[in-house]
Amino acid sequence: DIQMTQSPSSVSASVGDRVTITCRASQDVSSWLAWYQQKPGKAPKLLIYAASSLQSGVPSRFSGSGSGTDFTLTISSLQPEDFATYYCQQANSFPNTFGPGTKLEIK
Amino acid sequence: EVQVVESGGGLVQPGGSLRLSCAVSGFNFNIYAMTWVRQAPGKGLEWLSIIGGKGVATYYADSVRGRFTISRDNSKNTVYLQMNSLTAEDTAVYYCAKGVTVAGRTRASDYWGQGTLVTVSS
Repeated sequence: DIQMTQSPSSVSASVGDRVTITCRASQDVSSWLAWYQQKPGKAPKLLIYAASSLQSGVPSRFSGSGSGTDFTLTISSLQPEDFATYYCQQANSFPNTFGPGTKLEIK
Repeated sequence: EVQVVESGGGLVQPGGSLRLSCAVSGFNFNIYAMTWVRQAPGKGLEWLSIIGGKGVATYYADSVRGRFTISRDNSKNTVYLQMNSLTAEDTAVYYCAKGVTVAGRTRASDYWGQGTLVTVSS
């Protein structure tokens, strides 16, 4: 199985900050990487698929990049509603494993 | 409007069984794969299983293979997860999600249900 890691595990930031979260796969997953946002008590929400494709309805301040084993999610200017936990998921081979998550907290 | 609604969760004793259901509407159900994902209390997301649109292709995580069975009834727009030999480690919120198809394969999940809680305890 492909193992996914994320860094940092948690980050504190302020409204207006630019934040980058990194995801690394233990094997090449090509561009088949998705990013999700989850708020407490809620279902995950798809932000990015195929590494850099923005899901419909997601604000353009979210962007994704990378291929192979190294990927990033960038939030260009944090808004109050962005404080949540973010997960990456590889969709290259089964099982489609998730990363452990990155908790984005208010500074 | 796409809707995904899970049901069937509850309290079950160790070694017991439970069948979860996921009823969907608002899209052409039989052309999309469906996935089950769970989240133990205070933990991250764990991918469990996927079933193709026709119900033929299925895949499982190692943690549930041989104990859980995914199936679907396209006439009822419903996907199921039969869970057997449950242990305390299976306690979690179980989510059902619709697949996003890119280049002929499922590459993400775009619509998720609210989840159903399964508690395994004596």
